[in-house]
Amino acid sequence: KNQVEQSPQSLIILEGKNCTLQCNYTVSPFSNLRWYKQDTGRGPVSLTIMTFSENTKSNGRYTATLDADTKQSSLHITASQLSDSASYICVVGESGAGSYQLTFGKGTKLSVIP
Amino acid sequence: NAGVTQTPKFQVLKTGQSMTLQCAQDMNHEYMSWYRQDPGMGLRLIHYSVGAGITDQGEVPNGYNVSRSTTEDFPLRLLSAAPSQTSVYFCASRLQGARNEQFFGPGTRLTVL
Repeated sequence: KNQVEQSPQSLIILEGKNCTLQCNYTVSPFSNLRWYKQDTGRGPVSLTIMTFSENTKSNGRYTATLDADTKQSSLHITASQLSDSASYICVVGESGAGSYQLTFGKGTKLSVIP
Repeated sequence: NAGVTQTPKFQVLKTGQSMTLQCAQDMNHEYMSWYRQDPGMGLRLIHYSVGAGITDQGEVPNGYNVSRSTTEDFPLRLLSAAPSQTSVYFCASRLQGARNEQFFGPGTRLTVL
């Protein structure tokens, strides 16, 4: 069964510090990996999408990495801000199947405190 | 562009009542889908559509119906609400092609008593 595991479940960091969120997956065959940010009470918003051939992608202070061999991804947040407080969801797409074969992780809840 | 819109934002139902959650997008996206999000779980796909007139079941379709008469609209119907359907529901859309960005609506928080 395809699975996406995220760690940690929750994280508290001080404003201005960096942090890294982890995502391990067993989805096969792999198509793409996405990171979403979900603010409380709102819908997820896409941060990055990476395919098999991409091993790093940045979006401002967010940098995602992908190791397709070990089936791991990370999301690094630099110089955190209070507005980074949110849940971060890792989503892995399956290739060759119907376009809706996306497997969602349960998310990491990040709290940035002053 | 308004993006993906959903109505209502909140809804309380009694067991056995029916209702329709509305979803619309103005980006001319072929693909639309409905997810539910429950505490401690990842988003789960309920139903999806690859274009007007075409729908299919996702991971948790029981208790829900959908139709897609236009490209813009993709309503989700609960025929006889049950407490197990208490959840937050998200509609999403994207262009054809598995690697395109998926846009989510703001969600509908449904409580079934």
